[in-house]
Amino acid sequence: GIQVEQSPPDLILQEGANSTLRCNFSDSVNNLQWFHQNPWGQLINLFYIPSGTKQNGRLSATTVATERYSLLYISSSQTTDSGVYFCAVEQGRGSTLGRLYFGRGTQLTVWP
Amino acid sequence: EAQVTQNPRYLITVTGKKLTVTCSQNMNHEYMSWYRQDPGLGLRQIYYSMNVEVTDKGDVPEGYKVSRKEKRNFPLILESPSPNQTSLYFCASSPAGALSGANVLTFGAGSRLTVL
Repeated sequence: GIQVEQSPPDLILQEGANSTLRCNFSDSVNNLQWFHQNPWGQLINLFYIPSGTKQNGRLSATTVATERYSLLYISSSQTTDSGVYFCAVEQGRGSTLGRLYFGRGTQLTVWP
Repeated sequence: EAQVTQNPRYLITVTGKKLTVTCSQNMNHEYMSWYRQDPGLGLRQIYYSMNVEVTDKGDVPEGYKVSRKEKRNFPLILESPSPNQTSLYFCASSPAGALSGANVLTFGAGSRLTVL
């Protein structure tokens, strides 16, 4: 299967700071998604980004598929950004369609 | 409201007592899947289903069974639970494929299972 590594495992920030989360994957993939798990355990879709760059408010993401990594940027962080950020990949070809691999996540804590 | 519903949300049981965690979606999604989340390990896929009567193993299928007899339901069955199956379980669904074509993967609220 595909190995998905996320870094850093833990990140503690003061409100207003910027951060970059990284996701490396061991094989070529057709699909990549970033998720946020809030402190109540709810999993929320952030970005579907198999390649290129997307932005949504203070969050943006970039995937360089040829180099097998993706980055999630959080600017002007707020306490509501706290939680765990997961990267998930799917090769999405033939028999691998539906087979989903998650990284171990980055635990983000934002202090006021 | 479009949603994935899991039951029970919390369960404490004993080793060997068969249990079923139900998952139901009201979005007519073809794809459904189960995950377990353990501290420090992220989410790991247990089983997934591309459509009715089609199921496949994920990363950690041992000790679990699933069935997909109808599109809306995808129950997770623990025939003989053991303490190492104590975990937080999530069900998810999407229109077709896990992430394919930017389909939004919708998660249930999670089921916390403790096996004594």
